[in-house]
Amino acid sequence: RKEVEQDPGPFNVPEGATVAFNCTYSNSASQSFFWYRQDCRKEPKLLMSVYSSGNEDGRFTAQLNRASQYISLLIRDSKLSDSATYLCVVRATGGGNKLTFGTGTQLKVEL
Amino acid sequence: NAGVTQTPKFQVLKTGQSMTLQCAQDMNHEYMSWYRQDPGMGLRLIHYSVGAGITDQGEVPNGYNVSRSTTEDFPLRLLSAAPSQTSVYFCATRRQGGHNEQFFGPGTRLTVL
Repeated sequence: RKEVEQDPGPFNVPEGATVAFNCTYSNSASQSFFWYRQDCRKEPKLLMSVYSSGNEDGRFTAQLNRASQYISLLIRDSKLSDSATYLCVVRATGGGNKLTFGTGTQLKVEL
Repeated sequence: NAGVTQTPKFQVLKTGQSMTLQCAQDMNHEYMSWYRQDPGMGLRLIHYSVGAGITDQGEVPNGYNVSRSTTEDFPLRLLSAAPSQTSVYFCATRRQGGHNEQFFGPGTRLTVL
C-alpha cells in the first residue's frame, strides 16, 4: 500500500463547478499535511497547509480526519486557471521530517 | 532573491556517463532535498540534508551521491547514468520542522540514452 494515495483523475469539470479531492495516508505518526499544486511541466508549489480543525483560503477548503487518516480539498466556483495537478503531501516526525507526496489528482476545468 | 535555482534545465546523457545536477538557494534554509518525478510514481525522495555537512538517504538513493559543503548548495551526482534514471529532477528547500513551506526549483529534465 502506498503511504499517500490519491485518485489520479482526471477530473473534468465545467467552470463554476465545485470539485472535491480525497487523499488517504497510511502512517498514523504523520504530523503535518499539505496540498501542493503542480502546473504542467512546472515545479510543485504550496497551495495550503491542512490543519486539524479544517481551514479555508478563498475558494479552497481543506479538511483533515486523523481517525480515518483522510485529507480532502474542496474547490468552489472552479476557474479555468485551477486546471493543474493537486498533490497531497504528508510529513511524519523523525527521519529528517521527510515529506511524502501522493501521485496527484489532475483537474481540468472547461468552459 | 532567486529562491531555488537548478542547472541545467535539460540534459541528455549516454549510458555510463556521469554528471552533476546543481542546486542553489539564497533563502538560508537548513533543509535541502532532491526528488525525482516519474509518471504514475509521484515525487520520490533521493537524498536530503538537514544542514551543511549532513546528508542522508531518501527512498531511492541508489546511483546518486550528494554532498553539502555549504548552506546554499546541494549538488546531485549521477555516478554512471542508466536509462532508468531518465526523469525530472527537482531540488527543494525549507526551514526545518513544522508546517514550513517547501520551495522547489524549476527542475532538470534528464534523458539517458
